[in-house]
Amino acid sequence: EAQVTQNPRYLITVTGKKLTVTCSQNMNHEYMSWYRQDPGLGLRQIYYSMNVEVTDKGDVPEGYKVSRKEKRNFPLILESPSPNQTSLYFCASSLRRESYNEQFFGPGTRLTVL
Amino acid sequence: AQTVTQSQPEMSVQEAETVTLSCTYDTSESDYYLFWYKQPPSRQMILVIRQEAYKQQNATENRFSVNFQKAAKSFSLKISDSQLGDAAMYFCAYRRYHQGGSEKLVFGKGTKLTVNP
Repeated sequence: EAQVTQNPRYLITVTGKKLTVTCSQNMNHEYMSWYRQDPGLGLRQIYYSMNVEVTDKGDVPEGYKVSRKEKRNFPLILESPSPNQTSLYFCASSLRRESYNEQFFGPGTRLTVL
Repeated sequence: AQTVTQSQPEMSVQEAETVTLSCTYDTSESDYYLFWYKQPPSRQMILVIRQEAYKQQNATENRFSVNFQKAAKSFSLKISDSQLGDAAMYFCAYRRYHQGGSEKLVFGKGTKLTVNP
């Protein structure tokens, strides 16, 4: 089944404790992206990757890191999480060829930073 | 920068009735794509319908259709014969045309749709 998977689905952590949210897709998509969703703000892009070893900042990159060492994986790293990073996080992927291509979303990760 | 505005934070509709969700956007581009995503309580983001800006014909997917007014930069979603399963948060999204396909989705803030039995 074609899908984007994220782990963990739920995470409660404390300020300053490094964490990684994994994202993996099995559709051979070049383009991958991370979004955060906050009430009243919709979804905002954090980082994106156009292919292996190619990443760039989105609208709200502060406090986050990413890497793309393999085509299928695009982990989101919070080196020192803070309470303002409490949010719902989505990973998405799509073929790169055209902007029309649908972005497939993962199931979301609910992160709470105390 | 492109922006997407959904002016209705919440809407409600009676089962079997029709409802229209509004979306306007701001862009200086001529080529772009517009999308409506549905987010049910499961939080999964589900693509409902999409529209290419260069197409004058409005997109339709079963009970879902759009009214795309390019000059007015308006992209409303009409849901006909509303069902209880349509209850969800709906997001309008914009994506600029780019040959490399790397453009992000710009989302509106969402409209929460309630369907009353």
